[in-house]
Amino acid sequence: DSGVTQTPKHLITATGQRVTLRCSPRSGDLSVYWYQQSLDQGLQFLIQYYNGEERAKGNILERFSAQQFPDLHSELNLSSLELGDSALYFCASSVETGWTGELFFGEGSRLTVL
Amino acid sequence: AQKITQTQPGMFVQEKEAVTLDCTYDTSDPSYGLFWYKQPSSGEMIFLIYQGSYDQQNATEGRYSLNFQKARKSANLVISASQLGDSAMYFCAMRYQGAQKLVFGQGTRLTINP
Repeated sequence: DSGVTQTPKHLITATGQRVTLRCSPRSGDLSVYWYQQSLDQGLQFLIQYYNGEERAKGNILERFSAQQFPDLHSELNLSSLELGDSALYFCASSVETGWTGELFFGEGSRLTVL
Repeated sequence: AQKITQTQPGMFVQEKEAVTLDCTYDTSDPSYGLFWYKQPSSGEMIFLIYQGSYDQQNATEGRYSLNFQKARKSANLVISASQLGDSAMYFCAMRYQGAQKLVFGQGTRLTINP
């Protein structure tokens, strides 16, 4: 158990819909990262938050948005869903140690868009 | 740009044999960390081992060791005495001083045969 909690574990929805994925980081971790894993794209970094503020942005679509709340949990909002958004979405957290510490991953939220 | 390359899409190994999974990286940043993660079929990302760019000795964690060749920019994972439970996807990843996110390679699918 990594200590990172993601909900829901599985989600099936239709094209055009909107979903929210939730992540609770490990106790004490201030940084939260979101990754998308699809079959043909590998693990792609989406966005990072540190203590409530956006720290880095990757290949995140404009239809996607995220935020980190004062209690440090984070939400990833996916809207106007398309078939290609079907993927495993990971949240990870870390202590702010720059480049030396590992990221702890949640079990992922598997999104299926029909 | 920082990049991780894993050239072995799949590997098949006999149980109890040692296996080496290749990873090369590209970065101009002198401060970086190299990581290996295991992803079993259940989907979670499990941290295995870490090597820092300034570490003089190769990292080891139980049956896992990292063969770090800095001049060649390689960070191969060695699994000794492989077990059936080692069958999984393995990802090499890097963090560097310029960014806290993990950059992942495309992964190697390891299958251990009895």
